[in-house]
Amino acid sequence: GAGVSQTPSNKVTEKGKYVELRCDPISGHTALYWYRQSLGQGPEFLIYFQGTGAADDSGLPNDRFFAVRPEGSVSTLKIQRTERGDSAVYLCASSFSPFEGTGELFFGEGSRLTVL
Amino acid sequence: QKEVEQNSGPLSVPEGAIASLNCTYSDRVSQSFFWYRQYSGKSPELIMSIYSNGDKEDGRFTAQLNKASQYVSLLIRDSQPSDSATYLCAVLTGFQKLVFGTGTRLLVSP
Repeated sequence: GAGVSQTPSNKVTEKGKYVELRCDPISGHTALYWYRQSLGQGPEFLIYFQGTGAADDSGLPNDRFFAVRPEGSVSTLKIQRTERGDSAVYLCASSFSPFEGTGELFFGEGSRLTVL
Repeated sequence: QKEVEQNSGPLSVPEGAIASLNCTYSDRVSQSFFWYRQYSGKSPELIMSIYSNGDKEDGRFTAQLNKASQYVSLLIRDSQPSDSATYLCAVLTGFQKLVFGTGTRLLVSP
């Protein structure tokens, strides 16, 4: 596709359930990022992949959060035992690599997660 | 202290005026700075990047950087109602980790 694709666009789940959010980056982009954005806040860094490996996962809030990118393209963010505080918009972004300070991250439209 | 700080606003300006958006950052070694625009319910899009002290102009937008003061600003000349959005300041800290401020909401009234 032409842009970063994220599915689902909306997900409502119950506290304690498991959730997967998918990101399909722009073709040719080897770098992929996950951010979380709560209402009234800026995007909060979660994890960055270069190819298949997680180059920086320092933003993952706890061990309930995990992300994979097994073939260096599509990535899945996995959240176990969801809590109400996990409710947010999860943004995926991709870029060419090396990043080289260009700052041009191309964002998807986000997956809005609501935990009841 | 937050890594990137912005006034959340809203900043209200009349159509045709200059809007001035400000940002401070804490990491003195940061070298790359960006302004993203985010319309309500949409994802952020890059509008300006700046790497050197001074001004950088692109159309109606001017980014200003002062590394000694750890200060970045964005000026929007001839503001239009379509400029109404949240403007996010972002700083590259560490290897490829882009940190965002909370954003400043701009309202341009016709």
